[in-house]
Amino acid sequence: EVQLVESGGGLVQPGRSLRLSCAASGFTFDDYAMHWVRQAPGKGLEWVSGISWNSGSIGYADSVKGRFTISRDNAKNSLYLQMNSLRAEDTALYYCAKPQAGGWSIDAFDIWGQGTMVTVSS
Amino acid sequence: SYVLTQPPSVSVAPGQTARITCGGNNIGSKSVHWYQQKPGQAPVLVVYDDSDRPSGIPERFSGSNSGNTATLTISRVEAGDEADYYCQVWDSSSDHYVFGTGTKVTVL
Repeated sequence: EVQLVESGGGLVQPGRSLRLSCAASGFTFDDYAMHWVRQAPGKGLEWVSGISWNSGSIGYADSVKGRFTISRDNAKNSLYLQMNSLRAEDTALYYCAKPQAGGWSIDAFDIWGQGTMVTVSS
Repeated sequence: SYVLTQPPSVSVAPGQTARITCGGNNIGSKSVHWYQQKPGQAPVLVVYDDSDRPSGIPERFSGSNSGNTATLTISRVEAGDEADYYCQVWDSSSDHYVFGTGTKVTVL
């Protein structure tokens, strides 16, 4: 079964850091780009960041650029999101998502994890 | 940045047809994907590349895309179709994915 499991969320103070992880199983992880998408409470979906299969292409939403860093470890079938200088507006459920055909761009996301909640508050 | 605009809500009676629009500048030149999200659940892909359906998605879900508007059509609406729906495209000018504002479908 294809599965994505996020972890690492929690309550953190503004200005602090947090690292999210996404464990992938059931597919050949290093054949696929991967993405992070977030959803603030009661709000819509927002693409956060994406990384190609070999980490050669990386992109960030303007709202997180310079503060968040996406990475992956293909040997561990894992995706990461290092979040620094966190702000209240970063409070959201963070999903990792797999593109359907593996590409870095254009593809739909056919598999999503259940998400990990990040709350930024003092 | 590229903006995708959806109506906040659509209401439809069971058995009728729901149409959800997604407006964007020349969206017809892009591949549009649609997601269904029920409360407390992760999004589920229901249409990709404008009009294709993943396996397991009923034929009642269909999509089209032309000009400045993409449309997700749900035929013979059922109570279980009540959910939020989001469109998505890849914006090559910014190298970003963009999601629409979302539409809440209510089955009367």
